[in-house]
Amino acid sequence: KAGVTQTPRYLIKTRGQQVTLSCSPISGHRSVSWYQQTPGQGLQFLFEYFSETQRNKGNFPGRFSGRQFSNSRSEMNVSTLELGDSALYLCASGETSTEAFFGQGTRLTVV
Amino acid sequence: AQTVTQSQPEMSVQEAETVTLSCTYDTSESDYYLFWYKQPPSRQMILVIRQEAYKQQNATENRFSVNFQKAAKSFSLKISDSQLGDAAMYFCAYRSGNTDKLIFGTGTRLQVFP
Repeated sequence: KAGVTQTPRYLIKTRGQQVTLSCSPISGHRSVSWYQQTPGQGLQFLFEYFSETQRNKGNFPGRFSGRQFSNSRSEMNVSTLELGDSALYLCASGETSTEAFFGQGTRLTVV
Repeated sequence: AQTVTQSQPEMSVQEAETVTLSCTYDTSESDYYLFWYKQPPSRQMILVIRQEAYKQQNATENRFSVNFQKAAKSFSLKISDSQLGDAAMYFCAYRSGNTDKLIFGTGTRLQVFP
């Protein structure tokens, strides 16, 4: 079974731009969660999607949004990028009552 | 709200020795899961071990075992016969029973010396 795939792996953007990150879960998994990892704030939960519905949302500004498609693939979008959005963005897939499997992450650098 | 606390920012161990990483959590829920994840320099988060709150027996996976003290809300990870490849950041995580949202601790950096 293929693992969780995140694309792109690395990204450099300019302040004010927007960015879209993609996550393809393990086949059969209906749940996708997103996390932001920074040295200062650690691992913070962004959103959780299950069968195309947002089930939970973390404490992030409205510039951060996401969606999930019928094939369970998920995207997250960050608009009007700020320097503080530079982080490793991790996606995890799973089924409730099992463990989460993580992708390799997308390293976003905002300059 | 649930919280997870890892009070040891860094730990070190000699190869072949045993080390224990600490984790405490706070919750008022009865249905939850606890996990230890490992994050090596490659940044890939790898599941080490999981524990269901309703199970009294401590989980074990090869050289990794946990000491789950539900009343004390403590969930420590013991690594036996430490290997150089165990060097990584270790994160303790909490998950409610009806969601896939993980709440992470701040992590413990484990160094393994030959």
